Amino acid sequence: GAVVSQHPSRVICKSGTSVKIECRSLDFQATTMFWYRQFPKQSLMLMATSNEGSKATYEQGVEKDKFLINHASLTLSTLTVTSAHPEDSSFYICSARAPTNNQPQHFGDGTRLSIL
Amino acid sequence: DQQVKQNSPSLSVQEGRISILNCDYTNSMFDYFLWYKKYPAEGPTFLISISSIKDKNEDGRFTVFLNKSAKHLSLHIVPSQPGDSAVYFCAASGDSGTYKYIFGTGTRLKVLA
Repeated sequence: GAVVSQHPSRVICKSGTSVKIECRSLDFQATTMFWYRQFPKQSLMLMATSNEGSKATYEQGVEKDKFLINHASLTLSTLTVTSAHPEDSSFYICSARAPTNNQPQHFGDGTRLSIL
Repeated sequence: DQQVKQNSPSLSVQEGRISILNCDYTNSMFDYFLWYKKYPAEGPTFLISISSIKDKNEDGRFTVFLNKSAKHLSLHIVPSQPGDSAVYFCAASGDSGTYKYIFGTGTRLKVLA
């Protein structure tokens, strides 16, 4: 069964709306979660590393004020796309890893975000 | 700069035969490599991994080979089954201690019945 749950699976909304995506680790406590973005037929691009109890670490070129990340508990990280515009339309995927060496990241099923 | 490359965007293989998916990387600091399988509109599913201290890891029908001198890894699936049809991503990690993964661009495998 799934070890990482992501919700919602699909969002369609108007330009200017803020959208929150939740990522839950079901089987283990995840001190670190990751947020990725995937454009059609392209690779998964890491956006940020979400650290429980501290600020997220953003990859170069990712606007932290645009993509707000909160990791308030060991099982939940949220990504909020603020004032979304059509260019933010994409497939957003989260992952979590158990805090032991060489454990793989487990991924949620992703959120398809479409901004009209 | 694409640090992890999968040069074959697609591959077709007959059922029962071997599928070989390839991945090249440029950063010699990577020390942990993984393969994921992905269906459309779903998140990637972990398949198999290998640490840089090994050159081979096997799990059932899946075997990953690592050639550090060539900065190359491959995934062998044998025998291939129609259910293996998906996009396969390789990923590399380890150059920063942050457990971040760098993904390749993926190879779409189609296993023909």
